[in-house]
Amino acid sequence: SYVLTQPPSVSVAPGKTARITCGGNNIGSKSVHWYQQKPGQAPVVVIYYDSDRPSGIPERFSGSNSGNTATLTISTVEAGDEADYYCQVWDTISDHWVFGGGTKLTVL
Amino acid sequence: EVQLVESGGGLVKPGGSLRLSCAASGFSFNSHSMNWVRQAPGKGLEWVSSITSYSSYIYNAELVKGRFTISRDNAKNSLYLQMNSLRAEDTAVYYCARDFAKEGGEGYYFDHWGQGTLVTVSS
Repeated sequence: SYVLTQPPSVSVAPGKTARITCGGNNIGSKSVHWYQQKPGQAPVVVIYYDSDRPSGIPERFSGSNSGNTATLTISTVEAGDEADYYCQVWDTISDHWVFGGGTKLTVL
Repeated sequence: EVQLVESGGGLVKPGGSLRLSCAASGFSFNSHSMNWVRQAPGKGLEWVSSITSYSSYIYNAELVKGRFTISRDNAKNSLYLQMNSLRAEDTAVYYCARDFAKEGGEGYYFDHWGQGTLVTVSS
């Protein structure tokens, strides 16, 4: 089955740039979506189709996807960005949705 | 406004059954595939099951095959998850989520999620 690998945690100072990676075999050929989940809340999509941003999501959130790694980039990080972030793809081989293990973003 | 409201969670003994419901409103329910995703306490998101708009196709995660059954009633704007032979490891918050595809986009993603319902499997 297809596996997505994320770092368990990323720490960044306020105002700096956070980069959260999502590794998968030839993930660049897939469409990657990113979700933000704050404690006690349901997930919210922040990036879809690798790099598209839903309305209401700040421009500080961006995404890229190439080769074996997709990346969620959060520029000028704010305290309110502290959350768990998950990547997701549809695996066409197994016809399964796959989530990465999640990355806890800590704002120092 | 799109709303998804899950219900039916609770405490159940190992080996027991539970039926979750997700009431949808604010959109054309029969135009969207729907999904169940769960999250064990302190753990990550885990996809459970998906069903297309008219139930033509159903997809299940390996962990729940043969035990969980997804279904929908478009007349009632409702999604269901029948869970049988429940195990302690099924303890989780269960979310329903709507599939969405932007015109010209590559595939689907989950654009709306409910707030979840907690299922606890314990003796």
